[in-house]
Amino acid sequence: GAVVSQHPSRVICKSGTSVKIECRSLDFQATTMFWYRQFPKQSLMLMATSNEGSKATYEQGVEKDKFLINHASLTLSTLTVTSAHPEDSSFYICSAVYLEVYSGNTIYFGEGSWLTVV
Amino acid sequence: EDQVTQSPEALRLQEGESSSLNCSYTVSGLRGLFWYRQDPGKGPEFLFTLYSAGEEKEKERLKATLTKKESFLHITAPKPEDSATYLCAVQVHGSGAGSYQLTFGKGTKLSVIP
Repeated sequence: GAVVSQHPSRVICKSGTSVKIECRSLDFQATTMFWYRQFPKQSLMLMATSNEGSKATYEQGVEKDKFLINHASLTLSTLTVTSAHPEDSSFYICSAVYLEVYSGNTIYFGEGSWLTVV
Repeated sequence: EDQVTQSPEALRLQEGESSSLNCSYTVSGLRGLFWYRQDPGKGPEFLFTLYSAGEEKEKERLKATLTKKESFLHITAPKPEDSATYLCAVQVHGSGAGSYQLTFGKGTKLSVIP
């Protein structure tokens, strides 16, 4: 199956600094990617839809200026957490839409990135 | 509003004891129903997509089925390595990038005891 890679898998940063998480589709082009946040023992919470070459669409309640998303190419989307605070500590997961030739689409997820803000 | 409900929340099985997980949904127009497996601290792993009622797909010990109101994930003779949280998600018809969004259920945590 198609592979989506996230980097870094774990990152620790100091409060007030910014951190960037990368999401790459390794063997297919993805016009659309999604960013999620997951709290312990809870399901995935959609943060934003990332569209190649255009601005991301954010879900209600997600701060656009805090969670910057850039989808500069068909294989790479980045999530930058700006001025991070301890409450931003979480598990962040991306996914990419793989459009199949004859039937529908498949959504593949990355391995996730653990962010700890100290 | 699209809704996805998974049951049970948690399921403990003895190794070899077959069972089914349920995913019931209410959507305006189903494009596809997705099943994923998620291990602790990992991203969801794609299992199946079902598109129309009556469709079935199989992979090793897993078989997914779809009706107009629900989907079942059947696990035949499970092994301890099948222990994970199984997520169901729906995608509805629409246009634009947002139409590929998934609405997830809360998942079923499966534990298979040796």
